[in-house]
Amino acid sequence: AQTVTQSQPEMSVQEAETVTLSCTYDTSENNYYLFWYKQPPSRQMILVIRQEAYKQQNATENRFSVNFQKAAKSFSLKISDSQLGDTAMYFCAFMKQGPRSYNTDKLIFGTGTRLQVFP
Amino acid sequence: AAGVIQSPRHLIKEKRETATLKCYPIPRHDTVYWYQQGPGQDPQFLISFYEKMQSDKGSIPDRFSAQQFSDYHSELNMSSLELGDSALYFCASSLEWTRGVDEQFFGPGTRLTVL
Repeated sequence: AQTVTQSQPEMSVQEAETVTLSCTYDTSENNYYLFWYKQPPSRQMILVIRQEAYKQQNATENRFSVNFQKAAKSFSLKISDSQLGDTAMYFCAFMKQGPRSYNTDKLIFGTGTRLQVFP
Repeated sequence: AAGVIQSPRHLIKEKRETATLKCYPIPRHDTVYWYQQGPGQDPQFLISFYEKMQSDKGSIPDRFSAQQFSDYHSELNMSSLELGDSALYFCASSLEWTRGVDEQFFGPGTRLTVL
């Protein structure tokens, strides 16, 4: 069974600063995907960034980047130039490759990190 | 672009009543996932469908059932509701056989309150 652990229940950062959210996971799968989802007060689940396990290069999406350490099973999210709109709950999620090629499987979420950005 | 639609957005029921939640996936998406997110918790997988067949099952109570219809929309039926069923229920959809697009798109959720 796969597990996802987020050890930081809450984090805070000042606007324009950088913050890193931690995530570790456990799996025996070789083909899988990792995601960071943002859940603002509206409760909508918004995909922030994704990483394919077979890719060595860390994913980057504008101000968001990850540090993917496959051997250590670590997948941290760095938010640069933090903005007030980044205030939200952030979930790390794992998805193994589905039983059929090129398809999705259920997401396994961590318990989340609540990020507060202060002006 | 079209998104996942869930209805109703809010639902209030009494204990022991029945509720039906509906999910309309993104057009052409053939896979639907249901997740339950309790207050202050992370989303938990309930059940999924691919091409109208159940493809996986998680921690879904026997009181719950679901199906995917010929138009790919899905319904989650919940009977004998309990206070602990109060949660946000998400539906997510994805498209099989799309190389490089291994992603689930989430709907806005249905907030169920059981009194």
